[in-house]
Amino acid sequence: QKEVEQNSGPLSVPEGAIASLNCTYSDRGSQSFFWYRQYSGKSPELIMSIYSNGDKEDGRFTAQLNKASQYVSLLIRDSQPSDSATYLCAGGPSGGSYIPTFGRGTSLIVHP
Amino acid sequence: ETGVTQSPTHLIKTRGQQVTLRCSSQSGHNTVSWYQQALGQGPQFIFQYYREEENGRGNFPPRFSGLQFPNYSSELNVNALELDDSALYLCAGGDSATDTQYFGPGTRLTVL
Repeated sequence: QKEVEQNSGPLSVPEGAIASLNCTYSDRGSQSFFWYRQYSGKSPELIMSIYSNGDKEDGRFTAQLNKASQYVSLLIRDSQPSDSATYLCAGGPSGGSYIPTFGRGTSLIVHP
Repeated sequence: ETGVTQSPTHLIKTRGQQVTLRCSSQSGHNTVSWYQQALGQGPQFIFQYYREEENGRGNFPPRFSGLQFPNYSSELNVNALELDDSALYLCAGGDSATDTQYFGPGTRLTVL
């Protein structure tokens, strides 16, 4: 069974700090990975995608992928209270129609 | 703006009833996927449609069924509702070129 594991948290960081969110996956065939942000009562919002080993930066967000270790992470620099949300990691094999497996999400709390 | 809309926003049904949830995506989304998200969990894949045909199905019973129409709209039907069907139902338009899925706002279903 394909699994994506995340620590449910909550992860609490002070405003301005770096928040580090981690995810592991079981399917070695997974090639495409995504991070979504989900505010309470709302639907998931796409933050970043990553397909290759290494780092990918977009503004305050950096996604990291290590396929050998089956590990994906998301770093949020200069965390703001508005970043407080649940962060979902998703991954799956590419090619044809893409059906990702989602983790249960990590709750992030950024306190002033 | 993801280009994916869903209706209704909220719905209350009683056990044993049937429900139809609707989704509309946009051109460029060549797949439509439906997910069930229970409180505190990640989205669970129900099924996916590609060119109006079911293209993959998760671990859901046959009373969960769907359709995709030529105008980028789709519907999810659930028969014989059970209390455990209470959840947020998410529709996602997919871009197979990048494996990216864009979520609609969701429908909150409550079964009493």
